[in-house]
Amino acid sequence: DAKTTQPPSMDCAEGRAANLPCNHSTISGNEYVYWYRQIHSQGPQYIIHGLKNNETNEMASLIITEDRKSSTLILPHATLRDTAVYYCIVRVAPLISGSARQLTFGSGTQLTVLP
Amino acid sequence: EPEVTQTPSHQVTQMGQEVILRCVPISNHLYFYWYRQILGQKVEFLVSFYNNEISEKSEIFDDQFSVERPDGSNFTLKIRSTKLEDSAMYFCASRGGGVTNTEAFFGQGTRLTVV
Repeated sequence: DAKTTQPPSMDCAEGRAANLPCNHSTISGNEYVYWYRQIHSQGPQYIIHGLKNNETNEMASLIITEDRKSSTLILPHATLRDTAVYYCIVRVAPLISGSARQLTFGSGTQLTVLP
Repeated sequence: EPEVTQTPSHQVTQMGQEVILRCVPISNHLYFYWYRQILGQKVEFLVSFYNNEISEKSEIFDDQFSVERPDGSNFTLKIRSTKLEDSAMYFCASRGGGVTNTEAFFGQGTRLTVV
């Protein structure tokens, strides 16, 4: 699985959009970008994933550059409860039945939402 | 909303004792995982389980560890002879099958303290 690079920490004002970057310059064609977050030692929480198109769900938007070498997770209106470590993970999707494909967590970005 | 449930939330054990950490994955999920996180460190993959057998395991998952899905609902991690360095948060995760259900859902974890 391709390696990712994220800033160690970021701040964001409450109510503003939080834009979390991730660099994955060695990503290959069959690798997806996944985002998870971990709030203070709780279990990691799935946020969103994508291959090459931009994706949006009720939690966030994922913007992937055309060359797929980087992406940005956008939390449109950050709240204090969004303070967490955000992990960008690149992984081959388990297209083969029986392929468990675990996640490899890096250090992530500590996002602090300020009041 | 379905969730992964882990018990107990906190376990204290003496060095050398056996512990069993329990997990109830999301119903109809097919892939099951254990991860651990030592305080202040990254989330680390331990083992994945599919079709009633281990699919993949990391170097951490040595002979003192075992996993079992005894009754079709519970998924357990057994540590036979605990060591001080086994103190960590242990997270269970599960994932549905197929090419679209690629995101894993995590439980809230069991904090294991070995004294």
